[in-house]
Amino acid sequence: GAVVSQHPSWVICKSGTSVKIECRSLDFQATTMFWYRQFPKQSLMLMATSNEGSKATYEQGVEKDKFLINHASLTLSTLTVTSAHPEDSSFYICSARGQGVPGETQYFGPGTRLLVL
Amino acid sequence: GQNIDQPTEMTATEGAIVQINCTYQTSGFNGLFWYQQHAGEAPTFLSYNVLDGLEEKGRFSSFLSRSKGYSYLLLKELQMKDSASYLCAVREVSRGAAGNKLTFGGGTRVLVKP
Repeated sequence: GAVVSQHPSWVICKSGTSVKIECRSLDFQATTMFWYRQFPKQSLMLMATSNEGSKATYEQGVEKDKFLINHASLTLSTLTVTSAHPEDSSFYICSARGQGVPGETQYFGPGTRLLVL
Repeated sequence: GQNIDQPTEMTATEGAIVQINCTYQTSGFNGLFWYQQHAGEAPTFLSYNVLDGLEEKGRFSSFLSRSKGYSYLLLKELQMKDSASYLCAVREVSRGAAGNKLTFGGGTRVLVKP
């Protein structure tokens, strides 16, 4: 299947700092990328959807000024958690969908575990 | 909006068969996906149904009935490595820049015992 990479795989930061997470589609052009958050023993919750070259669409309850999303190219999207706080500690997973992917299946990156101290 | 229900946990014996049911309600159905997720890892794609019927892929099969809002994932010849969470996800048609998006059920944790 299609390959999606995510970097970093885990990060520990101090409260108040900003953290950037990169998501790349390695063997296809991702016209749409999705950002999810998953708390322990819970399912994935969609945070936002981004299309290349346009503004991201955020789900209800997700602060767009806190979670900045940039989808500058067909293979790269970034999520920046600004002024992170301990309650932002979670597993962040990106997903990509694009041209040449059968059934427009979404493929997931390996996830980024964020711990805010 | 959507309402996706699946059992929280299931236990089965190595070599047996387990069926994980998923029911959903949606206003614009555009496909149902099953993903496997091991603890601490991202989900991996298992199957995709958009038309009624059974899709078979090795030891895994997935069934869909759109009229009933129902799907199941069938795992045969269970192996210890199949212990994981199985996520049912429904894609709904949505207008605007967001396009179609997936909504996930709560996941079913399957424990395979020797």
